[in-house]
Amino acid sequence: ETGVTQTPRHLVMGMTNKKSLKCEQHLGHNAMYWYKQSAKKPLELMFVYSLEERVENNSVPSRFSPECPNSSHLFLHLHTLQPEDSALYLCASSQDYRGPGNTIYFGEGSWLTVV
Amino acid sequence: AQKVTQAQTEISVVEKEDVTLDCVYETRDTTYYLFWYKQPPSGELVFLIRRNSFDEQNEISGRYSWNFQKSTSSFNFTITASQVVDSAVYFCALTPTSGTYKYIFGTGTRLKVLA
Repeated sequence: ETGVTQTPRHLVMGMTNKKSLKCEQHLGHNAMYWYKQSAKKPLELMFVYSLEERVENNSVPSRFSPECPNSSHLFLHLHTLQPEDSALYLCASSQDYRGPGNTIYFGEGSWLTVV
Repeated sequence: AQKVTQAQTEISVVEKEDVTLDCVYETRDTTYYLFWYKQPPSGELVFLIRRNSFDEQNEISGRYSWNFQKSTSSFNFTITASQVVDSAVYFCALTPTSGTYKYIFGTGTRLKVLA
């Protein structure tokens, strides 16, 4: 079983829908992340949380809204998305967001298609 | 500027062949970390190795080996006797001293191992 689990694995939503992606980490880590992976583009860091506090918001449009209720859970709330938002959304965690050699562990991702 | 270049977009080999995936990086930091991740079709990025800039020893783990050369700013990954299960996209990444959660990923190399 992977240390970082994401649900749903696949999601198709209309542009007017509201949906959420869920992530849970079982590694006892303090930091959690959302990344976006689009076809033929480098991985993009979206948000970073450390002990439920957001420490990075990488100029992400407001139609993406993260929520971190505790250090084990992370959500990405989606509303009024655009077709270009279709991508693989990866959740990840690490022991801390700082510190040398900080190793990030990823979940299996949620494949999102916006129609 | 911090940058990771994986010049090989896609490589195809026949099973049991050896294959080397190239990674060249740029950084002005004297302390940094390099990583390799594997992304199978399921989507999860699987952590393979972390190497700090002060440790130039090559590492071997089963059929995997890594060659770190600071003189050429390269951190290459070799799979010996490749297997079909090695088919995946492989990412090289760099974290500089400042902002250690800000992974700089390469664009990945897709490896296809044919039976």
